[in-house]
Amino acid sequence: ILNVEQSPQSLHVQEGDSTNFTCSFPSSNFYALHWYRWETAKSPEALFVMTLNGDEKKKGRISATLNTKEGYSYLYIKGSQPEDSATYLCAQPNAGNNRKLIWGLGTSLAVNP
Amino acid sequence: EAGVAQSPRYKIIEKRQSVAFWCNPISGHATLYWYQQILGQGPKLLIQFQNNGVVDDSQLPKDRFSAERLKGVDSTLKIQPAKLEDSAVYLCASSFWGLRDTQYFGPGTRLTVL
Repeated sequence: ILNVEQSPQSLHVQEGDSTNFTCSFPSSNFYALHWYRWETAKSPEALFVMTLNGDEKKKGRISATLNTKEGYSYLYIKGSQPEDSATYLCAQPNAGNNRKLIWGLGTSLAVNP
Repeated sequence: EAGVAQSPRYKIIEKRQSVAFWCNPISGHATLYWYQQILGQGPKLLIQFQNNGVVDDSQLPKDRFSAERLKGVDSTLKIQPAKLEDSAVYLCASSFWGLRDTQYFGPGTRLTVL
């Protein structure tokens, strides 16, 4: 059974600060790691799908790295803005017949103007 | 490309009443998911369909929840009778079948059970 963990659980930063959070997952039988952003009153939005060890992906001010050997991924936000306030979720698919995503509990980010 | 559609967006009912949610996935997506999210927790998968067959419903409270995906496209999720603890956001998502395929989510239905 996969166990995906995220830290910290919540984070409060000032506008302009850079921040990062962690997603930890079992390193064996790795296929992919997904990052999603969920803003209040909206539906979760896919950010990245990470597949290869050493992957680094970027979308605007948000970037993510992947270390499959040690089982972690970092999400970075450079120069946080109030509109970045959201819950950031990571998820790993299990490789069984159902291929369902195993979700972390998320990191709730609040950016104060 | 149209996204995942869900209705209604909000629903308030009293306990012991019934409620149904509807989802229309992205065209061509064979896999459809229903999630329940309670505040402060990660999404909990209730049921996963591959075309019109159930792949996983291990966390669906089958005594009160039911779901169907007739013709492998639209899906409905029903709760009968509702309990107070069913208050949550119900999300529908769809994807292709691969392990690396992104799930695309609908806007969700916020259910309040009084």
